[in-house]
Amino acid sequence: QKEVEQDPGPLSVPEGAIVSLNCTYSNSAFQYFMWYRQYSRKGPELLMYTYSSGNKEDGRFTAQVDKSSKYISLFIRDSQPSDSATYLCAMSGGNNRLAFGKGNQVVVIP
Amino acid sequence: DSGVTQTPKHLITATGQRVTLRCSPRSGDLSVYWYQQSLDQGLQFLIHYYNGEERAKGNILERFSAQQFPDLHSELNLSSLELGDSALYFCASSERRAGKNEQFFGPGTRLTVL
Repeated sequence: QKEVEQDPGPLSVPEGAIVSLNCTYSNSAFQYFMWYRQYSRKGPELLMYTYSSGNKEDGRFTAQVDKSSKYISLFIRDSQPSDSATYLCAMSGGNNRLAFGKGNQVVVIP
Repeated sequence: DSGVTQTPKHLITATGQRVTLRCSPRSGDLSVYWYQQSLDQGLQFLIHYYNGEERAKGNILERFSAQQFPDLHSELNLSSLELGDSALYFCASSERRAGKNEQFFGPGTRLTVL
C-alpha cells in the first residue's frame, strides 16, 4: 500500500465551479499536511499548510484534514482559468521528509 | 518566485556520464531537500541536509550523492547515469524550526540522459 494515494485522473471544470481534490494516506505518523500547485515545467508552489486535523481557509482555497479517516481535501471556490495546473498533496511526520501524491491535473474551462 | 535557485535549468548528457546539480536555498533557510520527479513515480524524496549535515535519506541510489557547503548551497551528484535517471530534479528549503516544515521548491533541473 502506498503511503499517499491521490487519484491522478485529470479534472475539467467550467470557470466559476468548485474544484474538489482529495488524498488518503496510511501512515499514522503524518501530522503536517500540504497542498502544492505545479504549473507545467515549473517547481511546486506551496498553496496550503495545515497541522493536524481541522480546516484552513485562504481566499478561495480551503484545506481540510481528517486524521481519524486519514483523508485530506482541497477545495477551490470560484475557479479561474489561472487555476489550471497540477495539484499535489504532500504530508510528513517528524522527520521532515515529504511524501507526495501523484497529483491531479485540473483544467478550468473559460 | 520561491527564493530557491537551481542551476542548470536543463542538462542533456549521455549514459555513463556524471553531472552535478546545484541549489541555493532561501535566505536564512538551513535545510535543503532533494527530490526526483518522474512521470511514473511522481515526486520522490532523495535526501535532506541541515546546516551541512545529512539528516535523512530516502530512495536515493548509491550512484547519487549530495553535500551541503558552509554557505548552505547544496550539490547533487549523479554518476554512471542511466536512461532511467532522466527526470526533473528539485531542491527545496525550509527553516527547519521545530514544528515548522513548510518546504519551498526551486524551479528544478530537467535532466535528459541519452
